[in-house]
Amino acid sequence: ILNVEQSPQSLHVQEGDSTNFTCSFPSSNFYALHWYRWETAKSPEALFVMTLNGDEKKKGRISATLNTKEGYSYLYIKGSQPEDSATYLCASPNDYKLSFGAGTTVTVRA
Amino acid sequence: EAQVTQNPRYLITVTGKKLTVTCSQNMNHEYMSWYRQDPGLGLRQIYYSMNVEVTDKGDVPEGYKVSRKEKRNFPLILESPSPNQTSLYFCASSLAVTGELFFGEGSRLTVL
Repeated sequence: ILNVEQSPQSLHVQEGDSTNFTCSFPSSNFYALHWYRWETAKSPEALFVMTLNGDEKKKGRISATLNTKEGYSYLYIKGSQPEDSATYLCASPNDYKLSFGAGTTVTVRA
Repeated sequence: EAQVTQNPRYLITVTGKKLTVTCSQNMNHEYMSWYRQDPGLGLRQIYYSMNVEVTDKGDVPEGYKVSRKEKRNFPLILESPSPNQTSLYFCASSLAVTGELFFGEGSRLTVL
């Protein structure tokens, strides 16, 4: 089982504040790093797929960075809004298996 | 509309009664996989398929079977369901394992 870990498990952030959280993965045999957003009662939806060391991707107020040499990725939410409340999952393929972290649940308080 | 369709969405069954959860995608994706989601454990991969007639075990394959006779369909079979298979199941597909996954809406299964 590929050891993909996320921290913290959960966090609360005040509306308007920015936040970030981490995904760590084995740096050997790296292929790609995925981030998904999972809202309650819905299905996970892809945010980013990152493959290159140093890669940075952005979608609206959400951005992500990737360090393949040390095996971590950060997801940033700038100016959090209530609609950002969700569980954020990262995943990394190992051969043809795709292993997910347990997720970081973000709750934005108005 | 590009989508992954799972059926049934909800099912309550009894121990030992064989059931199949269907999954179909209309995006001509080669890679398909099944996950189960349990509280505190995240998404765990059950089986995956790289193409027609090519399937392999994920991290938690015990008690499940799959088949990939056509590119668009990837059913999950529980030959003799047990209560520990009560879970939320997701089917997903992508162009390749490194590409973004498209998820179905989920199937909530309860085994009594």
